[in-house]
Amino acid sequence: QPVLTQPPSASASLGASVTLTCTLSSGYSNYKVDWYQQRPGKGPRFVMRVGTGGIVGSKGDGIPDRFSVLGSGLNRYLTIKNIQEEDESDYHCGADHGSGSNFTWVFGGGTKLTVL
Amino acid sequence: EVQLVQSGAEVKKPGESLRISCKGSGYSFTSYWISWVRQMPGKGLEWMGRIDPSDSYTNYSPSFQGHVTISADKSISTAYLQWSSLKASDTAMYYCARLDFDWFDPWGQGTLVTVSS
Repeated sequence: QPVLTQPPSASASLGASVTLTCTLSSGYSNYKVDWYQQRPGKGPRFVMRVGTGGIVGSKGDGIPDRFSVLGSGLNRYLTIKNIQEEDESDYHCGADHGSGSNFTWVFGGGTKLTVL
Repeated sequence: EVQLVQSGAEVKKPGESLRISCKGSGYSFTSYWISWVRQMPGKGLEWMGRIDPSDSYTNYSPSFQGHVTISADKSISTAYLQWSSLKASDTAMYYCARLDFDWFDPWGQGTLVTVSS
């Protein structure tokens, strides 16, 4: 199964842009990845799914246009433009693997985004 | 509105049993898998397993197989996560989430389980 790697932290100033990265382990370059936002003290919230062709399907409910994704090689990116205070959250990426009784789901370690 | 509402926080002693719940509303409960996800204090998300509420078919992460049981009662649109003998290391926040197409949406609000003597 794939391993998803995320840097533990990132920061950006109010109004700036930031790109968060989720890296798949070798051999899994065709995998799609989901991004989830988790605000402090809250449950996760689906942001969007990304493959090498970009977004797959639709954004989650209430996700602003400032959020976009890109996929290249083993990397899956989440870019947030014009960062707002409410974007300060943990961002998790995840991917499914296998099917039936071998189905599993893996998450990266999460990136804590601090808005300066 | 599609939502998952989880049962409240629990404080238990090691060795005790526990069942927490996740009630779905606003959609056809039997049409979507439900998964359970663990988040230990200050840590990331860990997928525990999933259930198809239409027939209660389950599969588990190898990390949790044999340690927890996932079940569902489709008559009341509720999924469950249970332990027969809790350990201190089970202290965590537990989330249920609906598998919508290929992603988790929505998530429940979480149930905090604290196991302490």
